Amino acid sequence: GAGVSQSPRYKVAKRGQDVALRCDPISGHVSLFWYQQALGQGPEFLTYFQNEAQLDKSGLPSDRFFAERPEGSVSTLKIQRTQQEDSAVYLCASSAPTGGRETQYFGPGTRLLVL
Amino acid sequence: AQSVTQPDIHITVSEGASLELRCNYSYGATPYLFWYVQSPGQGLQLLLKYFSGDTLVQGIKGLEAEFKRSQSSFNLRKPSVHWSDAAEYFCAGGLTNEKLTFGTGTRLTIIP
Repeated sequence: GAGVSQSPRYKVAKRGQDVALRCDPISGHVSLFWYQQALGQGPEFLTYFQNEAQLDKSGLPSDRFFAERPEGSVSTLKIQRTQQEDSAVYLCASSAPTGGRETQYFGPGTRLLVL
Repeated sequence: AQSVTQPDIHITVSEGASLELRCNYSYGATPYLFWYVQSPGQGLQLLLKYFSGDTLVQGIKGLEAEFKRSQSSFNLRKPSVHWSDAAEYFCAGGLTNEKLTFGTGTRLTIIP
């Protein structure tokens, strides 16, 4: 595909359940980013990968949040024991190396609702 | 603290009128700056970006933005809006282009 894809597009979870959100970056893009967008807010940085290395996870809100990208392509954001405050749209973005002027291209997001 | 501020939560503009969306930044050095647009249920689409150099940046859809260091601003402008421009607009910045900070967004409504 031409763009970043994410699945599922919508997820409803009961409080306490574990969820896994998938991101397929643009082919050849080295960097991958996860953001959380609460209702009525701008996206907030969660974590960043360069290939399979997680270089920054300073935005992950708690140790219930875990992200991986084992082969440097597809990434999964896992949320354990979901809470109502985890309800948000989770956006994935990817970028290609362009000498310091990389632009992040975003997927459509996964809308998570925790009941 | 590093931040991006969009002072206007909601703006209403008549079709054909000009548009300016405000963005202010607070960083210790000149950040990279971006404008994105988000339509309902869609991801973020890049409109334009500033890394360095020419302070007037041209983007897609007839948009432009001007970087003003003295005002710590990067306002988005369009001379004549179309009904299809209605959406949520986000300004974003970062000292690297890896960890972006987004503003809270400005919702643009177009009236006929």
